[in-house]
Amino acid sequence: QAVVTQEPSLTVSPGGTVTLTCGSSTGAVTSGHYPYWFQQKPGQAPRTLIYDTSNKHSWTPARFSGSLLGGKAALTLSGAQPEDEAEYYCLLSYSGAYVFGTGTKVTVL
Amino acid sequence: EVQLVESGGGLVQPGGSLRLSCAASGFTFSSHWMSWVRQAPGKGLEWVANIKQDGGEKYYVDSVKGRFTISRDNAKNSQYLQMNSLRAEDTAVYYCTGVWWRYWGQGTLVTVSS
Repeated sequence: QAVVTQEPSLTVSPGGTVTLTCGSSTGAVTSGHYPYWFQQKPGQAPRTLIYDTSNKHSWTPARFSGSLLGGKAALTLSGAQPEDEAEYYCLLSYSGAYVFGTGTKVTVL
Repeated sequence: EVQLVESGGGLVQPGGSLRLSCAASGFTFSSHWMSWVRQAPGKGLEWVANIKQDGGEKYYVDSVKGRFTISRDNAKNSQYLQMNSLRAEDTAVYYCTGVWWRYWGQGTLVTVSS
């Protein structure tokens, strides 16, 4: 099965902007992989932020956005807040099977 | 209010079996794919298995094929994960999730150890 790769860690200043990426070992990530993005804080279950590349749930803060960028899925956080410090995972679909990314630890500092 | 409540986790010896259950409420269970996701201690998320609305399609991560079986009972609004031939590397919190990853349970811990 495919390997989905994310940056291990990123640091952003409060109010700053950071972009997380999600790449696939099988080639370019496309809308056909239906990229999802999840946020997970310690001791909690994951929470979906973005689905199908760029769609937001009602609970997704407006400062989060999803896109495709340079053959990868991307999650951009604009105007980071202290409460955004968390682990972020992408998820890609491969014809019925799914693979989570390796995860990115985002620090707001 | 949507709820997914897992049960059935615990300590089991290598080679043993466990059956996880997930009771769903607050949405039309029979209309949605359901999934199991696990997370080993201190590690990332790993998709384990999916099952279609009528149980007619099932998909598994390679590492559990032939050992785990996902199933569902739409009359009971529940899904299950039968885990056989358990290994130490199956130790994880197992999450029930559905409606295209929109809803998640709080997880149940499975520990495989002698």
